[in-house]
Amino acid sequence: GENVEQHPSTLSVQEGDSAVIKCTYSDSASNYFPWYKQELGKGPQLIIDIRSNVGEKKDQRIAVTLNKTAKHFSLHITETQPEDSAVYFCASNTGNQFYFGTGTSLTVIP
Amino acid sequence: DGGITQSPKYLFRKEGQNVTLSCEQNLNHDAMYWYRQDPGQGLRLIYYSQIVNDFQKGDIAEGYSVSREKKESFPLTVTSAQKNPTAFYLCASSEETGRFNEKLFFGSGTQLSVL
Repeated sequence: GENVEQHPSTLSVQEGDSAVIKCTYSDSASNYFPWYKQELGKGPQLIIDIRSNVGEKKDQRIAVTLNKTAKHFSLHITETQPEDSAVYFCASNTGNQFYFGTGTSLTVIP
Repeated sequence: DGGITQSPKYLFRKEGQNVTLSCEQNLNHDAMYWYRQDPGQGLRLIYYSQIVNDFQKGDIAEGYSVSREKKESFPLTVTSAQKNPTAFYLCASSEETGRFNEKLFFGSGTQLSVL
């Protein structure tokens, strides 16, 4: 089955700096890659997603890139703010099921 | 406001007891899901339902049961057979029937602990 690996598990950045979280997947049939932000005690919220026919997608300070050949995709957050502090999860979908990474705890230091 | 409502937020289970977690959505979504979240791990699928009166086992269904009598409701029962039930449980829904590569929306979760 699909295996999604996510790195790093924790990440600390200074306010205003950029943060990058990376995920790899194993199943070449995966065609949809969402990213979720989870604040403490709450459910994950979809922040950006990308489909396999696109290489990059941007929404204000957040961007996602996809390299299908290498089977990896990344989340980029620019100009980080303290409210960006949360756990971020990547996921892949083959059309049958979602598979989630183990999460990255991002801390933005004011 | 449209969304997914999970209740209760916190739940305690005594040994040998069955407990039921509620999940209601008013998004008119066909598909609903239950995930289990343990610290430091990704979300794992317990059960899913693509249509009323039908549901399928996920990767970790043992010790759990569900029902889907109404489109908007998908309760999860954690039975006494589930020996390690302490976890954060997340309900989710998506719009399309039979297609998993649609946007997944989550509720706010239920933290289940064993007394």
